[in-house]
Amino acid sequence: QSVLTQPPSASGTPGQRVTISCSGSSSNIGRNYVYWYQQLPGTAPKLLTYRNNQRPSGVPDRFSGSKSGTSASLAISGLRSEDEADYFCAAWDGSLSDYVFGTGTKVTVL
Amino acid sequence: QVQLQESGPGLVKPSQTLSLTCAISGDSVSSDSAAWNWVRQSPSRGLEWLGRTYYRSRWYNYYPVSVKSRITINPDTSRNQFSLQLNSVTPEDTAVYYCARVISLDPTDVFDIWGQGTMVTVSS
Repeated sequence: QSVLTQPPSASGTPGQRVTISCSGSSSNIGRNYVYWYQQLPGTAPKLLTYRNNQRPSGVPDRFSGSKSGTSASLAISGLRSEDEADYFCAAWDGSLSDYVFGTGTKVTVL
Repeated sequence: QVQLQESGPGLVKPSQTLSLTCAISGDSVSSDSAAWNWVRQSPSRGLEWLGRTYYRSRWYNYYPVSVKSRITINPDTSRNQFSLQLNSVTPEDTAVYYCARVISLDPTDVFDIWGQGTMVTVSS
């Protein structure tokens, strides 16, 4: 369920830095790891960052995750046309005993 | 390289049972450090976790309250796959269904690998 709040859209020109926020609560982001995913139209989500700020092998270092309190952020630096996609965050919620997801942010490269 | 592939009917009638299978390659459904999950995505409900199965000396299943009364996830070790059965479906169950892996013993870790997804429509 979409318990985590994200802005619906974000945009930037090639080369710019774009930051996407993900707001939660003490039962999810506040106590547990945050994961970020990229989803291109009609495709499966792809893991971008895990355990708040770790990057899987193969993901460019232009993508970076961070967390502070009950909020998290994904930064995309050196924006490229292929970064145009939907992005969402996810975390485990200890009170719900359920995974919770972000509402999703569509990134547009102008 | 780990890959997951969903398969099953794309159309299910209301009140019937939705059945899907997820074939695993590059890992084992019996791995004692992974958990195998089902997640669905729809425009109206967003992303929704449906549950998981995993092996830690014996098999465990866990389902969230939202679907617990209607769902069964089972491993199939002979075929290295796992399945989803969702009973008494309604049009609200129309969604893209994904299988996904968690590669960790920490229950708060989230999914690292997802299948490509399969669209299921509930309609008469």
